[in-house]
Amino acid sequence: TQLLEQSPQFLSIQEGENLTVYCNSSSVFSSLQWYRQEPGEGPVLLVTVVTGGEVKKLKRLTFQFGDARKDSSLHITAAQPGDTGLYLCAGVRGYGNKLVFGAGTILRVKS
Amino acid sequence: GAGVSQSPRYKVTKRGQDVALRCDPISGHVSLYWYRQALGQGPEFLTYFNYEAQQDKSGLPNDRFSAERPEGSISTLTIQRTEQRDSAMYRCASSLMTLETQYFGPGTRLLVL
Repeated sequence: TQLLEQSPQFLSIQEGENLTVYCNSSSVFSSLQWYRQEPGEGPVLLVTVVTGGEVKKLKRLTFQFGDARKDSSLHITAAQPGDTGLYLCAGVRGYGNKLVFGAGTILRVKS
Repeated sequence: GAGVSQSPRYKVTKRGQDVALRCDPISGHVSLYWYRQALGQGPEFLTYFNYEAQQDKSGLPNDRFSAERPEGSISTLTIQRTEQRDSAMYRCASSLMTLETQYFGPGTRLLVL
Protein backbone atom coordinates (compact mmCIF):
# COMPACT_ATOMS: atom_id res chain seq x y z
CA THR A 1 0.00 0.00 0.00
CA GLN A 2 1.42 3.35 -1.11
CA LEU A 3 1.51 6.08 1.53
CA LEU A 4 1.07 8.57 -1.28
CA GLU A 5 -1.58 7.78 -3.87
CA GLN A 6 -1.18 9.31 -7.30
CA SER A 7 -3.88 9.55 -9.94
CA PRO A 8 -4.28 8.89 -12.70
CA GLN A 9 -1.68 6.17 -13.15
CA PHE A 10 -1.50 6.76 -16.88
CA LEU A 11 -2.56 9.68 -19.03
CA SER A 12 -2.39 9.97 -22.81
CA ILE A 13 -3.42 13.30 -24.30
CA GLN A 14 -3.05 15.41 -27.41
CA GLU A 15 -0.65 18.30 -27.65
CA GLY A 16 -2.28 21.51 -26.43
CA GLU A 17 -4.59 19.90 -23.89
CA ASN A 18 -4.56 20.70 -20.19
CA LEU A 19 -4.20 18.08 -17.47
CA THR A 20 -4.06 17.68 -13.71
CA VAL A 21 -2.26 15.01 -11.71
CA TYR A 22 -3.18 14.39 -8.09
CA CYS A 23 -1.18 13.22 -5.10
CA ASN A 24 -3.13 12.28 -1.96
CA SER A 25 -2.23 10.98 1.46
CA SER A 26 -3.75 10.50 4.89
CA SER A 27 -0.45 11.64 6.42
CA VAL A 28 0.91 15.14 6.93
CA PHE A 29 4.27 15.93 5.41
CA SER A 30 6.67 18.74 6.25
CA SER A 31 6.94 19.40 2.54
CA LEU A 32 6.07 17.76 -0.73
CA GLN A 33 8.12 17.52 -3.89
CA TRP A 34 7.32 16.83 -7.54
CA TYR A 35 9.79 15.04 -9.80
CA ARG A 36 9.89 14.20 -13.48
CA GLN A 37 11.65 11.05 -14.64
CA GLU A 38 12.54 10.20 -18.22
CA PRO A 39 13.30 6.65 -19.42
CA GLY A 40 16.77 5.51 -18.38
CA GLU A 41 17.28 8.48 -16.09
CA GLY A 42 16.81 9.25 -12.41
CA PRO A 43 14.06 11.53 -11.10
CA VAL A 44 14.73 15.26 -11.42
CA LEU A 45 13.24 17.68 -8.91
CA LEU A 46 10.70 20.15 -10.35
CA VAL A 47 9.46 21.92 -7.23
CA THR A 48 9.15 21.76 -3.45
CA VAL A 49 6.02 23.05 -1.71
CA VAL A 50 6.20 23.71 2.00
CA THR A 51 3.29 25.84 3.21
CA GLY A 52 -0.32 24.63 3.29
CA GLY A 53 -2.24 26.28 0.45
CA GLU A 54 0.95 27.22 -1.37
CA VAL A 55 0.85 27.59 -5.15
CA LYS A 56 3.98 27.59 -7.27
CA LYS A 57 4.28 28.12 -11.00
CA LEU A 58 7.01 26.85 -13.26
CA LYS A 59 6.27 28.05 -16.80
CA ARG A 60 3.23 25.98 -17.88
CA LEU A 61 3.26 23.88 -14.69
CA THR A 62 1.27 24.90 -11.60
CA PHE A 63 1.78 23.08 -8.31
CA GLN A 64 -0.50 23.35 -5.31
CA PHE A 65 -0.11 22.06 -1.77
CA GLY A 66 -3.30 21.32 0.13
CA ASP A 67 -4.23 23.42 3.16
CA ALA A 68 -3.72 20.44 5.47
CA ARG A 69 -0.40 19.50 3.82
CA LYS A 70 -1.67 16.05 2.95
CA ASP A 71 -2.28 16.40 -0.77
CA SER A 72 -0.98 18.17 -3.83
CA SER A 73 -1.75 18.66 -7.49
CA LEU A 74 0.21 19.36 -10.62
CA HIS A 75 -1.56 21.15 -13.47
CA ILE A 76 0.00 21.41 -16.93
CA THR A 77 -1.38 23.94 -19.37
CA ALA A 78 -1.13 23.38 -23.12
CA ALA A 79 0.85 20.15 -22.83
CA GLN A 80 3.67 19.55 -25.27
CA PRO A 81 5.34 16.29 -26.40
CA GLY A 82 8.40 17.31 -24.36
CA ASP A 83 6.28 17.00 -21.21
CA THR A 84 6.09 13.24 -21.73
CA GLY A 85 7.51 11.33 -18.78
CA LEU A 86 6.86 9.85 -15.36
CA TYR A 87 5.71 12.40 -12.79
CA LEU A 88 6.36 11.49 -9.17
CA CYS A 89 5.28 13.18 -5.98
CA ALA A 90 7.30 12.63 -2.82
CA GLY A 91 6.57 13.57 0.74
CA VAL A 92 9.40 14.61 3.02
CA ARG A 93 9.39 12.99 6.45
CA GLY A 94 11.65 13.32 9.39
CA TYR A 95 14.93 15.05 9.94
CA GLY A 96 16.85 13.13 7.33
CA ASN A 97 14.98 14.37 4.28
CA LYS A 98 13.72 10.84 3.77
CA LEU A 99 11.50 10.85 0.70
CA VAL A 100 8.33 8.79 0.45
CA PHE A 101 7.34 8.50 -3.20
CA GLY A 102 4.03 7.85 -4.85
CA ALA A 103 3.79 5.27 -7.63
CA GLY A 104 3.86 7.97 -10.29
CA THR A 105 1.78 9.11 -13.24
CA ILE A 106 2.96 8.20 -16.72
CA LEU A 107 2.14 11.08 -19.07
CA ARG A 108 2.23 10.74 -22.82
CA VAL A 109 1.61 13.80 -24.96
CA LYS A 110 0.97 13.05 -28.60
CA SER A 111 1.71 15.55 -31.35
CA GLY B 1 32.05 14.52 -11.74
CA ALA B 2 29.13 16.41 -13.12
CA GLY B 3 26.49 14.20 -11.56
CA VAL B 4 25.88 11.11 -9.50
CA SER B 5 27.28 8.02 -11.15
CA GLN B 6 26.48 4.40 -10.45
CA SER B 7 28.09 1.18 -11.51
CA PRO B 8 27.47 -1.23 -12.93
CA ARG B 9 24.49 0.05 -14.92
CA TYR B 10 23.23 -3.49 -15.39
CA LYS B 11 23.90 -6.56 -13.33
CA VAL B 12 22.63 -10.06 -14.01
CA THR B 13 23.36 -12.61 -11.32
CA LYS B 14 22.24 -16.02 -10.24
CA ARG B 15 20.16 -16.58 -7.16
CA GLY B 16 22.35 -17.04 -4.11
CA GLN B 17 25.23 -14.89 -5.34
CA ASP B 18 26.34 -11.72 -3.59
CA VAL B 19 26.33 -8.40 -5.46
CA ALA B 20 27.90 -5.02 -4.74
CA LEU B 21 26.48 -1.87 -6.24
CA ARG B 22 28.54 1.29 -6.29
CA CYS B 23 27.49 4.93 -6.01
CA ASP B 24 29.77 7.87 -6.68
CA PRO B 25 28.03 11.03 -5.41
CA ILE B 26 28.50 14.58 -6.59
CA SER B 27 31.79 15.85 -5.21
CA GLY B 28 31.37 17.60 -1.88
CA HIS B 29 27.90 16.26 -1.20
CA VAL B 30 27.50 15.33 2.44
CA SER B 31 24.34 13.23 2.25
CA LEU B 32 23.92 10.06 0.22
CA TYR B 33 20.72 8.06 -0.17
CA TRP B 34 19.89 4.62 -1.56
CA TYR B 35 16.49 3.82 -3.05
CA ARG B 36 14.99 0.82 -4.81
CA GLN B 37 12.53 1.30 -7.63
CA ALA B 38 10.34 -1.51 -8.91
CA LEU B 39 8.90 -1.32 -12.40
CA GLY B 40 5.91 0.99 -12.48
CA GLN B 41 6.52 2.27 -8.95
CA GLY B 42 8.18 5.24 -7.34
CA PRO B 43 11.54 4.88 -5.56
CA GLU B 44 11.46 3.30 -2.12
CA PHE B 45 13.87 4.56 0.55
CA LEU B 46 16.48 2.08 1.76
CA THR B 47 19.11 3.96 3.77
CA TYR B 48 21.06 7.19 3.98
CA PHE B 49 24.40 8.54 5.14
CA ASN B 50 25.76 11.85 6.33
CA TYR B 51 29.47 11.76 5.64
CA GLU B 52 30.48 8.21 6.59
CA ALA B 53 27.80 7.74 9.23
CA GLN B 54 24.76 5.68 8.38
CA GLN B 55 21.91 7.76 9.80
CA ASP B 56 18.88 5.69 8.90
CA LYS B 57 18.69 2.14 7.62
CA SER B 58 15.04 1.59 8.34
CA GLY B 59 14.22 0.87 4.70
CA LEU B 60 16.62 -2.02 4.24
CA PRO B 61 14.32 -5.03 3.62
CA ASN B 62 16.28 -7.59 5.68
CA ASP B 63 19.75 -8.41 6.95
CA ARG B 64 20.93 -9.54 3.52
CA PHE B 65 21.11 -5.86 2.59
CA SER B 66 23.89 -3.63 3.89
CA ALA B 67 25.52 -0.37 2.88
CA GLU B 68 28.68 1.45 3.71
CA ARG B 69 30.38 4.74 2.96
CA PRO B 70 33.74 4.35 4.70
CA GLU B 71 35.37 7.60 3.61
CA GLY B 72 32.29 9.73 3.31
CA SER B 73 32.28 9.71 -0.47
CA ILE B 74 31.71 6.55 -2.52
CA SER B 75 29.11 4.16 -1.16
CA THR B 76 28.50 0.48 -1.74
CA LEU B 77 25.19 -1.32 -1.36
CA THR B 78 25.73 -5.04 -0.88
CA ILE B 79 23.09 -7.71 -1.25
CA GLN B 80 24.07 -11.14 0.01
CA ARG B 81 22.54 -14.40 -1.16
CA THR B 82 20.43 -12.65 -3.76
CA GLU B 83 16.86 -13.76 -4.40
CA GLN B 84 14.67 -13.22 -7.44
CA ARG B 85 12.55 -10.71 -5.51
CA ASP B 86 15.65 -8.49 -5.21
CA SER B 87 15.40 -7.72 -8.94
CA ALA B 88 14.80 -3.99 -9.31
CA MET B 89 16.41 -0.69 -10.22
CA TYR B 90 18.66 0.51 -7.39
CA ARG B 91 19.12 4.26 -7.31
CA CYS B 92 21.51 6.44 -5.43
CA ALA B 93 21.03 10.14 -4.72
CA SER B 94 23.20 12.75 -3.08
CA SER B 95 22.59 16.19 -1.63
CA LEU B 96 24.86 18.97 -0.50
CA MET B 97 23.42 18.86 2.98
CA THR B 98 20.66 16.86 4.62
CA LEU B 99 17.71 19.08 3.70
CA GLU B 100 18.94 20.11 0.28
CA THR B 101 17.82 18.90 -3.14
CA GLN B 102 18.58 15.27 -3.86
CA TYR B 103 20.22 14.53 -7.21
CA PHE B 104 19.61 11.03 -8.48
CA GLY B 105 21.95 8.78 -10.37
CA PRO B 106 21.00 6.71 -13.43
CA GLY B 107 20.60 3.58 -11.33
CA THR B 108 21.78 -0.01 -11.47
CA ARG B 109 19.29 -2.47 -12.88
CA LEU B 110 19.68 -5.77 -11.05
CA LEU B 111 18.26 -8.97 -12.44
CA VAL B 112 18.46 -12.09 -10.31
CA LEU B 113 17.86 -15.28 -12.25
